[in-house]
Amino acid sequence: DAKTTQPNSMESNEEEPVHLPCNHSTISGTDYIHWYRQLPSQGPEYVIHGLTSNVNNRMASLAIAEDRKSSTLILHRATLRDAAVYYCILRDDGNGGSQGNLIFGKGTKLSVKP
Amino acid sequence: DGGITQSPKYLFRKEGQNVTLSCEQNLNHDAMYWYRQDPGQGLRLIYYSQIVNDFQKGDIAEGYSVSREKKESFPLTVTSAQKNPTAFYLCASSYGQGKVYGYTFGSGTRLTVV
Repeated sequence: DAKTTQPNSMESNEEEPVHLPCNHSTISGTDYIHWYRQLPSQGPEYVIHGLTSNVNNRMASLAIAEDRKSSTLILHRATLRDAAVYYCILRDDGNGGSQGNLIFGKGTKLSVKP
Repeated sequence: DGGITQSPKYLFRKEGQNVTLSCEQNLNHDAMYWYRQDPGQGLRLIYYSQIVNDFQKGDIAEGYSVSREKKESFPLTVTSAQKNPTAFYLCASSYGQGKVYGYTFGSGTRLTVV
């Protein structure tokens, strides 16, 4: 599985946008980019995923670079409840017969200041 | 509401004992997974199952065993052979190949050896 690189930690102010970067220079053409977040003492929660085009949902936006070697998770207005560890994960689509499992790194710990 | 339930939330085990962690889902998901998380670390895959009566070892399967007799259930047994079982255990499920859909995680079981 291709690896991702994320900053260990980031800080944000409440009600400001947050841009969480992820580098994945060895991404293959069949890898989807997934984002999960984990609040303290809870299981991870799915946030968003994409392949090539930018994606939006009620939780966040995902901006994918044209060469797909990096992506950014965007929280439009951070709240205190967004303080969590955010994981960027690549996962093969499985069409080649080898379905990849989610492989978690250490993620980025986001702190939100009031 | 559909979801994935892990029990118990907290579990204490004496050294040399086997313990079984429960994971039940009513999402009609085909695939189920067990992860282990140590403090400050990401999740590591223990076992996974894509269909009933079949399961595969993950990255850290030694000292663990699983069964998948029903689609809804995927219990994990931590055996006495697991030398350092104190950790946070997370169960997850997803549709079939999972390429389009994300994983749904349970709220976890915190196991402590006393």
